[in-house]
Amino acid sequence: DTGVSQDPRHKITKRGQNVTFRCDPISEHNRLYWYRQTLGQGPEFLTYFQNEAQLEKSRLLSDRFSAERPKGSFSTLEIQRTEQGDSAMYLCASSLASMGQGNYGYTFGSGTRLTVV
Amino acid sequence: QQPVQSPQAVILREGEDAVINCSSSKALYSVHWYRQKHGEAPVFLMILLKGGEQKGHEKISASFNEKKQQSSLYLTASQLSYSGTYFCGTDKAFGTGTRLTIIP
Repeated sequence: DTGVSQDPRHKITKRGQNVTFRCDPISEHNRLYWYRQTLGQGPEFLTYFQNEAQLEKSRLLSDRFSAERPKGSFSTLEIQRTEQGDSAMYLCASSLASMGQGNYGYTFGSGTRLTVV
Repeated sequence: QQPVQSPQAVILREGEDAVINCSSSKALYSVHWYRQKHGEAPVFLMILLKGGEQKGHEKISASFNEKKQQSSLYLTASQLSYSGTYFCGTDKAFGTGTRLTIIP
């Protein structure tokens, strides 16, 4: 297993353009999370899926943001009409829904760094 | 509201011990601990599920008191590799972070 993969690693886009990021979780993990992190801050929760169902969305997630996980495997996060304030690292993480006493935990991808110019 | 951590930053000499505290104003049913090195993604350390539970990971251990909505992370005999920013929290809310610097 190669862990959680995110693509692209870096994205520079002009304000107003749409961007889409992809996350491939660990194959046996049924939960997938998206976070946003800006410099010097901790990750902020955006949304999460259990299998293909999007179970929760943060109030931070404006209507310009949409996420999908159509087959319960990879996920995409789309930002429409990007703004300079969207510049951040977008992190994806996956986990098992029920971990019991184990330390299986959460595995993060390396992130996609978005710069809106 | 995100959990609050203390201290915000700490500098240790290699081999010294440290405690990082995490306090939440909302009920916590579990606590996660992560470490993030500069320029890298967070790395999951452990999750604590029950009140009073303690867990260990190498020389890093943690306790969780769900009644007090508090958790603490204990680092003993710190190593240079322990440097980074530590976050407590849940899967939906990371704490304010504690920057740990270990010097030789």
